[in-house]
Amino acid sequence: EIVLTQSPATLSLSPGERATLSCGASQSVSSSYLAWYQQKPGLAPRLLIYDASSRATGIPDRFSGSGSGTDFTLTISRLEPEDFAVYYCQQYGSSPSFGQGTKVEIK
Amino acid sequence: EVQLVESGGGLVQPGRSLRLSCAASGFTFDDYAMHWVRQAPGKGLEWVSGISWNSGSIGYADSVKGRFTISRDNAKNSLYLQMNSLRAEDTALYYCAKDLRYCGGDCYSLSDAFDIWGQGTMVTVSS
Repeated sequence: EIVLTQSPATLSLSPGERATLSCGASQSVSSSYLAWYQQKPGLAPRLLIYDASSRATGIPDRFSGSGSGTDFTLTISRLEPEDFAVYYCQQYGSSPSFGQGTKVEIK
Repeated sequence: EVQLVESGGGLVQPGRSLRLSCAASGFTFDDYAMHWVRQAPGKGLEWVSGISWNSGSIGYADSVKGRFTISRDNAKNSLYLQMNSLRAEDTALYYCAKDLRYCGGDCYSLSDAFDIWGQGTMVTVSS
């Protein structure tokens, strides 16, 4: 089983700032099969990024993903008020697994 | 509108069984693999099980292997999760989720991101 570790656990930023979220894998993720999701309280997760760097339909271009192998990054270029939420990474190269999440909160 | 609606959750005693259902609409159900993902109260996401379009490929998390059974009925556009020998640690909101990309015909992969999620159904295991 591939274990994903997200850092930091909490990111305190102001609207307009840049957010950089990290996801590390215990072993290489095949074919960069890595996704990022956003979850707001009381709602289901929403797919943001798949295959490490491809934006899902309707996702604004301020969200970008990068990385390969065992190190992946989600970047939000300029935080909008609606971006404050919890973000999860997921690998689906083998039996799927999720990271523990990073909460992006208003500073 | 593409939609997934879960049902069947509730309060159940430890050791008992429960069957969850997920009704799909707005897309060609048998073109996609489907999954169950759960989220314990205040916790993160945990993949539970996945099934390919024709049930030819099935996977389970180690935490539920031997106790849970995933199935689907393509004629009814429905996904199911039979949960037996329930434990307190199975208490969670259970989501069904659809694979992002078409995987029918000769495709049996369970390797994809999840682009559509239901609203979830809550399962509470307690005496």
